[in-house]
Amino acid sequence: DTAVSQTPKYLVTQMGNDKSIKCEQNLGHDTMYWYKQDSKKFLKIMFSYNNKELIINETVPNRFSPKSPDKAHLNLHINSLELGDSAVYFCASSQVPSGGAYEQFFGPGTRLTVL
Amino acid sequence: GDSVTQMEGPVTLSEEAFLTINCTYTATGYPSLFWYVQYPGEGLQLLLKATKADDKGSNKGFEATYRKETTSFHLEKGSVQVSDSAVYFCALSDRELGRLYFGRGTQLTVWP
Repeated sequence: DTAVSQTPKYLVTQMGNDKSIKCEQNLGHDTMYWYKQDSKKFLKIMFSYNNKELIINETVPNRFSPKSPDKAHLNLHINSLELGDSAVYFCASSQVPSGGAYEQFFGPGTRLTVL
Repeated sequence: GDSVTQMEGPVTLSEEAFLTINCTYTATGYPSLFWYVQYPGEGLQLLLKATKADDKGSNKGFEATYRKETTSFHLEKGSVQVSDSAVYFCALSDRELGRLYFGRGTQLTVWP
């Protein structure tokens, strides 16, 4: 029944490692997003895909690489993890890429801790 | 660029008190406006939305009106409950790509 799910919920890893976070939505939406929430709760968009095509790529280090194998899945791979990557990462989906009345549905988040 | 400014928290209220959380925005064009709520340990949930000037969004006793003249979207509730304790985020959405720009969040704690 979960609309937007993420795995894992918690991820603890050492600096320099490579890790992935997975996101799946069963809402039939065309567009998916990754947001980063820092320790002060500030949320900032990182990427967005529409029908497997990248449409938003904010100023994110290229150690972060999103991949969308199909429109129901959006994964985030992070290379060479740094301390500053510690945050909660949220996946979201919406019906169309435009704004307007279409809300975004958020996953439960993945708390990444880099030691 | 587009941005949202939200009143700093934390806000602490007694049950049944009146709540206002101020939110103003800067945007080119005509954005949609949202309030999202984040309960402890959870993701964000949409609380209410408004898509054009003078629209009023409402849900669970919360209300906010899209004021174009003052570029504001203040959140109000007449009588808060302990269960309303959460972090509240004001956000705007650009109509072209649907990206959300969030305010910094306001932590609300309601005491019985």
